[in-house]
Amino acid sequence: GAVVSQHPSRVICKSGTSVKIECRSLDFQATTMFWYRQFPKQSLMLMATSNEGSKATYEQGVEKDKFLINHASLTLSTLTVTSAHPEDSSFYICSARVVVMWGQANYGYTFGSGTRLTVV
Amino acid sequence: KQEVTQIPAALSVPEGENLVLNCSFTDSAIYNLQWFRQDPGKGLTSLLLIQSSQREQTSGRLNASLDKSSGRSTLYIAASQPGDSATYLCAVLDRGSTLGRLYFGRGTQLTVWP
Repeated sequence: GAVVSQHPSRVICKSGTSVKIECRSLDFQATTMFWYRQFPKQSLMLMATSNEGSKATYEQGVEKDKFLINHASLTLSTLTVTSAHPEDSSFYICSARVVVMWGQANYGYTFGSGTRLTVV
Repeated sequence: KQEVTQIPAALSVPEGENLVLNCSFTDSAIYNLQWFRQDPGKGLTSLLLIQSSQREQTSGRLNASLDKSSGRSTLYIAASQPGDSATYLCAVLDRGSTLGRLYFGRGTQLTVWP
């Protein structure tokens, strides 16, 4: 089945530094990737949607300059948290859309294993 | 805007019980509904996907039903096991979204004790 590999699984960084999270689709081409943030005991909050070769679409309230998303190829999307601060500490998950029914706009979704970011 | 609600928020049962987790959504114009499992500190694992034209899907001890007109879905877990302990999330793919985004519920945290 469609697999998304997400790295790193855990990262600790100092306040003010930048952190890059990668998501790769291993056995399919992911034209659309979604980036989520999850707080403890909360559901997933969509941050942005990226399409290969174009600019990402950010959800309201998400800072574009802080959370840089690049989707330069059909198999790789990256999220860079710039100038990280302790309040950016969270669990970040990527997701790729997978076609489940040809000829119709009908998709399933497969998720990465998540990245636990801790900013100290 | 689509809103997804899951009841109960948490459930603790002894091993062997049959369970029902509930999911409701406000806008019935969906393409499909998907149930996921999330273990602590991990990503999401897809369990079942039900197309809007379908009534139910089954995989092993799991059965998911969909009543699109009433905006409801249930996930039935038969003969629960401690290994089923996890958070279960339902999500709908909304027809109104040009970006094809999913709308998630907050999840049901399930604990199955031996």
